[in-house]
Amino acid sequence: GIQVEQSPPDLILQEGANSTLRCNFSDSVNNLQWFHQNPWGQLINLFYIPSGTKQNGRLSATTVATERYSLLYISSSQTTDSGVYFCAVNAGNMLTFGGGTRLMVKP
Amino acid sequence: DTAVSQTPKYLVTQMGNDKSIKCEQNLGHDTMYWYKQDSKKFLKIMFSYNNKELIINETVPNRFSPKSPDKAHLNLHINSLELGDSAVYFCASSRAGSSGNTIYFGEGSWLTVV
Repeated sequence: GIQVEQSPPDLILQEGANSTLRCNFSDSVNNLQWFHQNPWGQLINLFYIPSGTKQNGRLSATTVATERYSLLYISSSQTTDSGVYFCAVNAGNMLTFGGGTRLMVKP
Repeated sequence: DTAVSQTPKYLVTQMGNDKSIKCEQNLGHDTMYWYKQDSKKFLKIMFSYNNKELIINETVPNRFSPKSPDKAHLNLHINSLELGDSAVYFCASSRAGSSGNTIYFGEGSWLTVV
């Protein structure tokens, strides 16, 4: 099956800092989503982005499908950005998740 | 209004018991899923149903049996619970299949087997 790898696995930031999270996948995909799992466990949709670039406030994402990677940018990070960020890709009938990036933003 | 809702949110039960987790979506989606998140936060699909029919059944013990009475509901029944079943179970839905469609997740059901 398709392999999805995220980096870095853990990230600690000072409030106000910027960061880039990466997602590499091993095969062509027809769906890529970024999720944020907050400290209460909720999985929140951030982006549906099988290709191209999207922006939503302080977050933006870019997927280069031909090179099999996606990037999630967080600018001016806030403590509420803490949690786990997951990339998930679909190459058939199911969404396969990466292992996540655990982000802690310190005040 | 909650798009994908699961009940119960928390469940603590003894080994050997049988329990069910219910899931409902009001998005008009055709496909519903169950995912399991283990203690290391890894999310893995268990089942996928499209219009009440089983599409995906990953390597899951027979003790887990999904039931879809209609396309808006996908319940998960677990027999003879074991300690290793302790996890967070997420229900999700999308339009027909996850290919090219956004998947929406419920808030999770925290199952603890003691």
